[in-house]
Amino acid sequence: GENVEQHPSTLSVQEGDSAVIKCTYSDSASNYFPWYKQELGKRPQLIIDIRSNVGEKKDQRIAVTLNKTAKHFSLHITETQPEDSAVYFCAAPRGGADGLTFGKGTHLIIQP
Amino acid sequence: KAGVTQTPRYLIKTRGQQVTLSCSPISGHRSVSWYQQTPGQGLQFLFEYFSETQRNKGNFPGRFSGRQFSNSRSEMNVSTLELGDSALYLCASSLEGNSNQPQHFGDGTRLSIL
Repeated sequence: GENVEQHPSTLSVQEGDSAVIKCTYSDSASNYFPWYKQELGKRPQLIIDIRSNVGEKKDQRIAVTLNKTAKHFSLHITETQPEDSAVYFCAAPRGGADGLTFGKGTHLIIQP
Repeated sequence: KAGVTQTPRYLIKTRGQQVTLSCSPISGHRSVSWYQQTPGQGLQFLFEYFSETQRNKGNFPGRFSGRQFSNSRSEMNVSTLELGDSALYLCASSLEGNSNQPQHFGDGTRLSIL
């Protein structure tokens, strides 16, 4: 089955700086890569996703890049703000039917 | 459009008991997936249902089971509860159940085993 590795487990950045979270996956047939943000005590929320037919996707301060050859994808957050503090999860399809394999999560801390 | 609704939000049980959790997907969504979230293991896939059929199952013991009804609502059941079953149980729904469609999560059921 699919295996997803996520790094780093904790990331601390100054407010206004950029943050980058990286994930690798194992199944070369995977074609969809979502990112979720989970604030303390709340549900995981889909913030951006990318399909394997594109290499990059942007939504305001958030972008995701995908390198199919190397089997890795990354989340980029620019001009970080206090409300960006949360745990971020990457994921990839389990294969076949629905269901996702998640990375272990990155705790993003925005320092004032 | 209402989001994914899970009931109950909190549950306290003792070892050996069984529990049933409920999930109502977003209207029109036909696929429901269940996940267990713990601090140590993160988000782990339990199973996925589409059109009342379990199509995909994670690596959990047979004590964990589920079902889906004709209106796409889903339930999961855990029998003979163990202390290690304490976790946040999340369900997520998607439109058609293809592996490249967004999944939307509910608020989860926090299960505590005493």
